[in-house]
This record gives sequence, structure tokens and C-alpha cells, in this order.
Amino acid sequence: DAKTTQPNSMESNEEEPVHLPCNHSTISGTDYIHWYRQLPSQGPEYVIHGLTSNVNNRMASLAIAEDRKSSTLILHRATLRDAAVYYCILRDVGTGNQFYFGTGTSLTVIP
Amino acid sequence: NAGVMQNPRHLVRRRGQEARLRCSPMKGHSHVYWYRQLPEEGLKFMVYLQKENIIDESGMPKERFSAEFPKEGPSILRIQQVVRGDSAAYFCASSQGQVNGYTFGSGTRLTVV
Repeated sequence: DAKTTQPNSMESNEEEPVHLPCNHSTISGTDYIHWYRQLPSQGPEYVIHGLTSNVNNRMASLAIAEDRKSSTLILHRATLRDAAVYYCILRDVGTGNQFYFGTGTSLTVIP
Repeated sequence: NAGVMQNPRHLVRRRGQEARLRCSPMKGHSHVYWYRQLPEEGLKFMVYLQKENIIDESGMPKERFSAEFPKEGPSILRIQQVVRGDSAAYFCASSQGQVNGYTFGSGTRLTVV
């Protein structure tokens, strides 16, 4: 599986935008970029995913670099409830292999 | 839709006992995945099952651990002769197909005393 690299931790002030980066320089053409997050004491939850084009949903936006070697998850207005570990995961749509979670980015939101 | 249901939420076992963790997937989902999360660590894939079949068990410890997903009823993760190192949060996820996203349960927190 292609690897992803994320910062271990980030901080953001409440009600400000947050940009969570992810590097995936060995991404293949059929790898989708998935983001999950895990709130304290809970199971992971789906945030967003994309292949080439930028994606928006009610939770976040996903900006994908033109060469697809990096992506950024954007939370437009951080709230205290967004404090979680955010995981960027690549998954080959052709093989449907399992999600392999790395260490993710631990986001702290400062009130 | 109740989502992925795991029970119990918390389980305490003495060393040497057996632990049985249950997972009921979302309605319409026939693919189940088990993950383990040790304290202060990330999620580690354990096993992937479809109804009555183990598809990938590459993350399962070779001894004491087994999993099943019978035709009727929940998926079961079974740990025999538990040791302190088995203390962890065990998460189950389900999906509609092999290429769909996962929905996770809230986990079972196993404590071995």
C-alpha cells in the first residue's frame, strides 16, 4: 500500500479554519484518498474522500494537488467538537484492500 | 438505522479467561472488519470477513485469537486465555461492499486483570 505522511499534531483556535496536510508521494492512479477521524473514546468516522478533483461535503473540504502527491483536509470553522485524530488513508479502488490506519494528526482546538 | 453495534462496551476478564466480542453490522452490510487499538497507539487491522468466510486474517495473532461471521447472527471475535497485553479497544467496522467506505462501531474496551 502507498504510504501517507501527516504531522503528529496541530493546534487551531476555535472558529478559525484548519488545514490538515497529507503527503502521499507514491500514490498510484487508482488510489482514492480517504479521511477518517477518531474522536476521544469513539470509533473512527468517515469524513471525506476523493480521487482527483476537490471535494466538499457538510463536514469538510478536500483539496487534492494537481500531481496528487499531496492533499489537504480543510475544516472551514473549527469547533471544540472537531478535536480528534485525523487519518489520511490511500485505498486502491480496484482491489478494495483494507483501510490501514497510520498514526494520524492529533488536532487540538483552543477555545 | 442503528449503525454498527458492538457489545459489550466494556469487558473485564481475568488472565486465562476467554473474551467474546460481538459485532452486528449495519443493515445491508455483508463485510465486517475488526481492528485493535492499544493504548496510545493507532488502529491495527486484524481480520476481514464476509458471511461465513474469512477473507483476510493477516493481522490476527497466530494463537488464541479467532473470528467468525456466521450466516445468522453477529460477528464474533474470540480471544482465548487472555493475557494483560490483550487489553485494548477492539473496533468493528462494516461495509456494503469491498470498495465502499467503512462504518465503525463504538468499540469494546477489554481490560485484562
